[in-house]
Amino acid sequence: DTGVSQDPRHKITKRGQNVTFRCDPISEHNRLYWYRQTLGQGPEFLTYFQNEAQLEKSRLLSDRFSAERPKGSFSTLEIQRTEQGDSAMYLCASSLDNSRAEQYFGPGTRLTVT
Amino acid sequence: AQTVTQSQPEMSVQEAETVTLSCTYDTSESDYYLFWYKQPPSRQMILVIRQEAYKQQNATENRFSVNFQKAAKSFSLKISDSQLGDAAMYFCAYRDYNFNKFYFGSGTKLNVKP
Repeated sequence: DTGVSQDPRHKITKRGQNVTFRCDPISEHNRLYWYRQTLGQGPEFLTYFQNEAQLEKSRLLSDRFSAERPKGSFSTLEIQRTEQGDSAMYLCASSLDNSRAEQYFGPGTRLTVT
Repeated sequence: AQTVTQSQPEMSVQEAETVTLSCTYDTSESDYYLFWYKQPPSRQMILVIRQEAYKQQNATENRFSVNFQKAAKSFSLKISDSQLGDAAMYFCAYRDYNFNKFYFGSGTKLNVKP
């Protein structure tokens, strides 16, 4: 396993459409995180999973956003009724479940809403 | 809430010289972790160096070292013998000891001049 992978790498969609992104973490990592990064800013936390359980959600995650990790392996992030303000890089990261664990980041999915 | 501040949006350094990137943070916790991540253009974020708050000794990784001042809540990154490959965005990040959520600064773009 070479690292965290994300698909697609780029997505262009029209306002109002739904989009779904996928993240495949490092196989032995049971924690998975989603972040959003806008231009010129650092990543902002959206949500995280321990195995299949979603343990925390940011207030940034409006009701148009939903994330799942059905079998505790890959995760999906869906955005419904996209808005131009959703344009950003969506980063996924994974880690082991211990306090010293570092997070390993994927390459991100760049979303452009036109 | 924890905040991380990087006051230098952009810095430049001559190849082979030394540069220091600044980071300050705000927390009421006594146990936490601090990180510097590097994000090359169009590539994923990778960990540069990590510091545990309970350790007084500053972390060092080859050409990268930190100056951790816990009382001042300051965490600067020194890059010695700068190389062209060091050119990237550098993000300072904070993580509570018991939680895995990261708080990132807004980043410093480092340019390395040949």
